[in-house]
Amino acid sequence: DGGITQSPKYLFRKEGQNVTLSCEQNLNHDAMYWYRQDPGQGLRLIYYSQIVNDFQKGDIAEGYSVSREKKESFPLTVTSAQKNPTAFYLCASSNLAGTTDTQYFGPGTRLTVL
Amino acid sequence: GQSLEQPSEVTAVEGAIVQINCTYQTSGFYGLSWYQQHDGGAPTFLSYNALDGLEETGRFSSFLSRSDSYGYLLLQELQMKDSASYFCAVRDWRSQGNLIFGKGTKLSVKP
Repeated sequence: DGGITQSPKYLFRKEGQNVTLSCEQNLNHDAMYWYRQDPGQGLRLIYYSQIVNDFQKGDIAEGYSVSREKKESFPLTVTSAQKNPTAFYLCASSNLAGTTDTQYFGPGTRLTVL
Repeated sequence: GQSLEQPSEVTAVEGAIVQINCTYQTSGFYGLSWYQQHDGGAPTFLSYNALDGLEETGRFSSFLSRSDSYGYLLLQELQMKDSASYFCAVRDWRSQGNLIFGKGTKLSVKP
């Protein structure tokens, strides 16, 4: 079955530690995205990548870093510089050649900083 | 910049019809999308409107008026499983084609 996987589902981290969230897709999509969602809020774009070895900052990139070494993978690192990292993190992918706005989302990772 | 407005909460009863409105301010508008998200789950795509008019997909319909910068999602024959948050999202040239999401409308369906 094609889809997007994120791991882990729940993650706990101590203040001052970096942590990496995994995102893998087997949909053969060119574009991948990372969003942050806080309670009662919409999705805010952290980083996106439209092609391997290239990525762009979204609206709230400070304190985060990404890489796109393979088409299937787009890991997100939450660094110690991120002041309020506790949130629900969603990864998505899309086919840029499509005519609709469909983005396919993974199940998310809920990060809690202790 | 871009902004989207949608009601924060809506309550309806099973079997009823509910309309969730979305107004937006963008530049070089491409289209309006709707996503559904159950508590703790991933958003899933519902519909996309690039042109004025009504798009129907089963019990759900979505409408767009580009001149009014307005759209809505219409849910008919409500079921308990429709209880979820619904997000409108727009693409425009300023966001480099990326989606900008509204804050979401939490729909509660009562028996």
